[in-house]
Amino acid sequence: DGGITQSPKYLFRKEGQNVTLSCEQNLNHDAMYWYRQDPGQGLRLIYYSQIVNDFQKGDIAEGYSVSREKKESFPLTVTSAQKNPTAFYLCASSRGRGGNTEAFFGQGTRLTVV
Amino acid sequence: QKEVEQNSGPLSVPEGAIASLNCTYSDRVSQSFFWYRQYSGKSPELIMSIYSNGDKEDGRFTAQLNKASQYVSLLIRDSQPSDSATYLCATEGGSSASKIIFGSGTRLSIRP
Repeated sequence: DGGITQSPKYLFRKEGQNVTLSCEQNLNHDAMYWYRQDPGQGLRLIYYSQIVNDFQKGDIAEGYSVSREKKESFPLTVTSAQKNPTAFYLCASSRGRGGNTEAFFGQGTRLTVV
Repeated sequence: QKEVEQNSGPLSVPEGAIASLNCTYSDRVSQSFFWYRQYSGKSPELIMSIYSNGDKEDGRFTAQLNKASQYVSLLIRDSQPSDSATYLCATEGGSSASKIIFGSGTRLSIRP
């Protein structure tokens, strides 16, 4: 089954902790994205990557970090510097430049600070 | 000015009628345009993509693009209760190439 897998589905973080959200795709897509969604709001871009070993900041990158060591994987770390991390986090992938650019989403990770 | 703007709604439409959702974008060089549907608590799913001016039809859905007016719309014919969701407009390929930027979404409610 081709698709995008995010894990875990639910994640609880204590104040001051770093947590890492996993995103894996087997669609052979070049581009991957991380978005944050707050209740009743749209999607805000955190980071995106067009190729392996390269990524760019989105509109709300502060307090987050990413890596793109493999084409299939684009993990997101929510650091303790992110003061209000409770949100729904969505990972997406697309073929990227030069191809159809539709993005497809994983099921999301709901992060709660306790 | 937001890069992608949508009326947040809620938009209430009777069952069987046409629902019309609108979106404007600020980056004139945007090349790709998308409509996603998101049910409460779920991730967005792609409904339509459109790349050139004019209309594109897929079943009950029609996307319309007017690049001169920087305007994208989605029409849903014969609206069904299952169409009740939030509809997100997105653009890609603008000045900040390869970013996919989303609007805040329009909440659509189909009343029986």
